[in-house]
Amino acid sequence: DQQVKQNSPSLSVQEGRISILNCDYTNSMFDYFLWYKKYPAEGPTFLISISSIKDKNEDGRFTVFLNKSAKHLSLHIVPSQPGDSAVYFCAAIGLEGSQGNLIFGKGTKLSVKP
Amino acid sequence: DAGVIQSPRHEVTEMGQEVTLRCKPISGHNSLFWYRQTMMRGLELLIYFNNNVPIDDSGMPEDRFSAKMPNASFSTLKIQPSEPRDSAVYFCASRSSGQGEQPQHFGDGTRLSIL
Repeated sequence: DQQVKQNSPSLSVQEGRISILNCDYTNSMFDYFLWYKKYPAEGPTFLISISSIKDKNEDGRFTVFLNKSAKHLSLHIVPSQPGDSAVYFCAAIGLEGSQGNLIFGKGTKLSVKP
Repeated sequence: DAGVIQSPRHEVTEMGQEVTLRCKPISGHNSLFWYRQTMMRGLELLIYFNNNVPIDDSGMPEDRFSAKMPNASFSTLKIQPSEPRDSAVYFCASRSSGQGEQPQHFGDGTRLSIL
C-alpha cells in the first residue's frame, strides 16, 4: 500500500514552458516533504523541500506547492530546460520524523524537448 | 566536498555467492541509510543507522541481508547467499541531524546483478 504516489510515470514538456509534477500522499501525519531529481546512473539529488506549516516554497525556477486538505503537492519548474530532463521523486518524512526516514513515490520521468 | 561514496559501482555474481556493498558517508553526517531500487517497488528503505546504531531494519527483506556500521565513516550491506531476485540498484545515503530537517544525500549506487 503506497503512502506516497506519483501517478504519472512520465511527462513531456517543451523547453521554456512550465513543468508540473504531481504527488499525492495518504498519511496526514507526514509533516515534511522533499523532491529529489535523479539522472541515469547517479543517485537522487535533493532539489527542494516544504514543511507542512507552509503551502509554498520557492527556489529559483523551482516551486513546490502543498495542499494539506487534499494531501497533494506539486513541483513547478519554470521555465523548463533540457537539462531538467530526469526522474523526479517525491518523498515524505515518515512517522519517525526526526530520524529523517523518507518514504518515496515511484518517480515521474520528465523529458524537456528543445 | 566528497559526497557519499559507494563501492563497487557494479557487481555481477552467481547466485549463492556472498555480496558485500560498501558505503562511506559524508564526513560529519550521523545518520546513514540503505535503500534498494527496483522497477516494481521503486526506492525502498532497507535499514538506517543513527550514530552507528541500527535504528530500524524492518525493511530488510530477510535474514540473508545484514548491515553493519562499525564506525562513523563506513558501512556495509551484505547478502549471503545471494539470489537472482536480489538484483537491483542499492543506494546509500547520509544526513546530518542539524537544526531543522536536513535532506539525505545519496551515493551513486551499486548496480547488483545476480545470475
